[in-house]
Amino acid sequence: GQNIDQPTEMTATEGAIVQINCTYQTSGFNGLFWYQQHAGEAPTFLSYNVLDGLEEKGRFSSFLSRSKGYSYLLLKELQMKDSASYLCAVMDSNYQLIWGAGTKLIIKP
Amino acid sequence: DAGITQSPRHKVTETGTPVTLRCHQTENHRYMYWYRQDPGHGLRLIHYSYGVKDTDKGEVSDGYSVSRSKTEDFLLTLESATSSQTSVYFCAISDTDTGELFFGEGSRLTVL
Repeated sequence: GQNIDQPTEMTATEGAIVQINCTYQTSGFNGLFWYQQHAGEAPTFLSYNVLDGLEEKGRFSSFLSRSKGYSYLLLKELQMKDSASYLCAVMDSNYQLIWGAGTKLIIKP
Repeated sequence: DAGITQSPRHKVTETGTPVTLRCHQTENHRYMYWYRQDPGHGLRLIHYSYGVKDTDKGEVSDGYSVSRSKTEDFLLTLESATSSQTSVYFCAISDTDTGELFFGEGSRLTVL
């Protein structure tokens, strides 16, 4: 079966750096997405990786290793507003998105 | 932000009653999706559409039907709601089948 694994919850301190991991086993691979979802709100797009390596976008970076079935989202200079759930999703060979259950990130002052 | 709205935003209904959720977009995007989100699960695809009158089933389509008679509207119907369909439902749109999704605000449905 297809599976996306990410930690259920993480805690970090304001101003610090946090890395949220995502491992996947899917039927084929056509890209990996990260979305942010604040409590009670809709998910919003953060990043897309289809080739191995690091994609940087401001305070957020996303890394992909296709051979290892692994990605991480790196958040730098954490702010209280970064408290949210972070969703990892992989597009399989049928161009269907398979979603992880999300990682709830708690930021403490 | 993508122009996408869902209605109703909140609904409480009883088991066995029909329910229709509406998704309306002003972006003229070809692809529209209905997902449900439940604690401990990732977003799960119910149905999707790749054009007017063109729809297909997702992984959790049992008990749901959809219709798309206009580009801008995608309706999700629960013919006879059950308690297991209590969930938050998200509509999403995309201009390609591989691109990022833009989500509506969500519709919280409670089936008693």
